[in-house]
Amino acid sequence: NAGVTQTPKFRVLKTGQSMTLLCAQDMNHEYMYWYRQDPGMGLRLIHYSVGEGTTAKGEVPDGYNVSRLKKQNFLLGLESAAPSQTSVYFCASSPRSWEQYFGPGTRLTVT
Amino acid sequence: QKEVEQDPGPLSVPEGAIVSLNCTYSNSAFQYFMWYRQYSRKGPELLMYTYSSGNKEDGRFTAQVDKSSKYISLFIRDSQPSDSATYLCAMTVNTNAGKSTFGDGTTLTVKP
Repeated sequence: NAGVTQTPKFRVLKTGQSMTLLCAQDMNHEYMYWYRQDPGMGLRLIHYSVGEGTTAKGEVPDGYNVSRLKKQNFLLGLESAAPSQTSVYFCASSPRSWEQYFGPGTRLTVT
Repeated sequence: QKEVEQDPGPLSVPEGAIVSLNCTYSNSAFQYFMWYRQYSRKGPELLMYTYSSGNKEDGRFTAQVDKSSKYISLFIRDSQPSDSATYLCAMTVNTNAGKSTFGDGTTLTVKP
């Protein structure tokens, strides 16, 4: 039981490049989330999903897109990376309101 | 003004001290109150949760919720160096698709 895994762990992009972050969970959770964490700003919700085939915007969705074609996977895409998207990205999954399981994070630097 | 405000810290205490970590909130609809622990360069992990008002104890950790004051606390007794981490409070309503609102975190260092 791996829990929540994220790929890749680190990435450096140039401004304007695109990339996809992959999140996978093996706990059969309905809810999945993408957050970014910046120093002094806590966790900010980018997008979330309440089930396979659904997505919704969170607090800071601009510049990101997501897809959840399979229940166990939640993809976060950056179409044209900007330096402001330099951050640590966390994926989480949840079986119920009060219990989120986080992945190990992806450290992204955009130069 | 943020929905959830957390004492910013950082906090540095000697081993064995009692630690108090605190958050205030403005949304009276919050029903579940959680504390996550995040070690350096790791993802957050759920430490404890409380439903509505009251206290909950788990070993050296006690979570306290006062809904009338919109104030929650996490107490750590007999703190250990292994407790050194960032602690995030989080809150949610039951019908909110599991979305939680997080505080910015308080970084705790317990010195041996």
